[in-house]
Amino acid sequence: TQLLEQSPQFLSIQEGENLTVYCNSSSVFSSLQWYRQEPGEGPVLLVTVVTGGEVKKLKRLTFQFGDARKDSSLHITAAQPGDTGLYLCAVSGSARQLTFGSGTQLTVLP
Amino acid sequence: ETGVTQSPTHLIKTRGQQVTLRCSSQSGHNTVSWYQQALGQGPQFIFQYYREEENGRGNFPPRFSGLQFPNYSSELNVNALELDDSALYLCASSHRQGVTDTQYFGPGTRLTVL
Repeated sequence: TQLLEQSPQFLSIQEGENLTVYCNSSSVFSSLQWYRQEPGEGPVLLVTVVTGGEVKKLKRLTFQFGDARKDSSLHITAAQPGDTGLYLCAVSGSARQLTFGSGTQLTVLP
Repeated sequence: ETGVTQSPTHLIKTRGQQVTLRCSSQSGHNTVSWYQQALGQGPQFIFQYYREEENGRGNFPPRFSGLQFPNYSSELNVNALELDDSALYLCASSHRQGVTDTQYFGPGTRLTVL
């Protein structure tokens, strides 16, 4: 059983559409991170959410941490082809190692 | 400021061989973590080195080993390669301070085992 379940696994949308991807767990976390990974590159940190119910915005991206700190969502408004990539959520362990979900592969078509 | 670099970019080996992957950490960083990313999956933690000592290990067999050098660069060694070792190997560096630290990833080494 995966510690972090991400859905959907794949998402293909047209430019200009809105979308939401999810990261769920049965465990409670002190913080959760979202990364984007593009082909041929390593993951790049987008945001860290810490407080239950917290909402953070990064341009057209809106991140929310669940009230119980067990889940998180990423909403993209007016998606662009440059948003294409693998979106990963991750939590940090006792040795500061990251545990990742399996990711959502997003394709935004022009 | 130079980011995290990894070499080689791609590598093809046959089953049973040994491989060494290299990582240069970002300037000022003292911690290096290695991850394995299979196709279509998220990265999985292999181990972490802090000031030249192994500081945590994931669920990987002993044939996965590593080193960190005084300049904080690092190597990942895999012995007796198996087909399932085919993956993208990612290195991430960070500067340990306080409660949390941000990990910066390199572009990875794509290993194919035939």
